[in-house]
Amino acid sequence: GQQLNQSPQSMFIQEGEDVSMNCTSSSIFNTWLWYKQDPGEGPVLLIALYKAGELTSNGRLTAQFGITRKDSFLNISASIPSDVGIYFCAVPLVRDKIIFGKGTRLHILP
Amino acid sequence: KAGVTQTPRYLIKTRGQQVTLSCSPISGHRSVSWYQQTPGQGLQFLFEYFSETQRNKGNFPGRFSGRQFSNSRSEMNVSTLELGDSALYLCASSGYHEQFFGPGTRLTVL
Repeated sequence: GQQLNQSPQSMFIQEGEDVSMNCTSSSIFNTWLWYKQDPGEGPVLLIALYKAGELTSNGRLTAQFGITRKDSFLNISASIPSDVGIYFCAVPLVRDKIIFGKGTRLHILP
Repeated sequence: KAGVTQTPRYLIKTRGQQVTLSCSPISGHRSVSWYQQTPGQGLQFLFEYFSETQRNKGNFPGRFSGRQFSNSRSEMNVSTLELGDSALYLCASSGYHEQFFGPGTRLTVL
């Protein structure tokens, strides 16, 4: 079945650093989603990408389709402690059936 | 507006038993999806219900089943539990563009 390859699997950064993570697939998708999951909670949608080439921002978060539309990138600027968590990329195969990457676990060093 | 609620939050069962998990979607949402989250496999789609009908299904054995009631509340059932069924089970209800996740039910099978 369809798979999303997310990298890196985990990241250790200093507070204040910028973060970049990406997600690739073998197919073109017209919608890319980025979620964050905090411990003990369900994933929360951060950014939804619907238009190739557009940069979509949500505060310090920015996401973009890759050139081929087989990939997507998420950037976090000036990281803060509450950015810790697991970030998932996801795409809808059909309406309401979403597949997820394995996640990037973000750690922020004191 | 209340979010997606799931009950119970934690559950411990033994192998061979069966379990029923419950999900109440956001008021007005008619679609409910279920996902299984494990450290090894990540987030995997189980099934989706819309207006009391199963509309999409993932690749899980028949031991996993679900249903939806006329008030859009949904239940999922796992029969003959196996150790590998230990996971976080997430429910999501769908608005126009995105899915909103509940906090999940943590199932431990001993």
